[in-house]
Amino acid sequence: LAKTTQPISMDSYEGQEVNITCSHNNIATNDYITWYQQFPSQGPRFIIQGYKTKVTNEVASLFIPADRKSSTLSLPRVSLSDTAVYYCLVGDPVIGNMLTFGGGTRLMVKP
Amino acid sequence: EAGVAQSPRYKIIEKRQSVAFWCNPISGHATLYWYQQILGQGPKLLIQFQNNGVVDDSQLPKDRFSAERLKGVDSTLKIQPAKLEDSAVYLCASSFGGVGEQFFGPGTRLTVL
Repeated sequence: LAKTTQPISMDSYEGQEVNITCSHNNIATNDYITWYQQFPSQGPRFIIQGYKTKVTNEVASLFIPADRKSSTLSLPRVSLSDTAVYYCLVGDPVIGNMLTFGGGTRLMVKP
Repeated sequence: EAGVAQSPRYKIIEKRQSVAFWCNPISGHATLYWYQQILGQGPKLLIQFQNNGVVDDSQLPKDRFSAERLKGVDSTLKIQPAKLEDSAVYLCASSFGGVGEQFFGPGTRLTVL
């Protein structure tokens, strides 16, 4: 399983763009990259998934460089409600092995 | 669409006692997962079911933990006997097929005294 490394914590202010980078140097050819968000006392919630280049949905963008050894979750114009822990997962969705969450990144959004 | 249901939400037991958690996944989801999340850490997969068969239970402490998913729908996770270090939130999740997106339940917070 590909191991992921993320910053332990990040601070931001309301209205700013936040970029959280995840390193996954030993990502395999068939592996996808998935990000989850978790609020206190709740289960994680899916944010976005991608394989290469850029993926965008209504809440975030995911940037993956050509070598795929890292990825960046971009949250546009964060608000206080985006304060949460963000997890990067890497694995093969067909095999179903993308289930190692790691420590995550604690994002604190300040007013 | 109803989400993943779990019960109970909270449980307090003494060490060496037994406890069971129940999970009802989203209708039609073939894959069900149980995770253990210790305070301050990310969720750790305990067991993954595909319908009623076990796909991965490599991190399940089988001397004290057991899980079943009869009829491929709801599932039960049991701990017998419990230890202090089992204090954690137990999360159940389900997905339609492969792990494109997992849907998590609210979790059961277990405290072992």
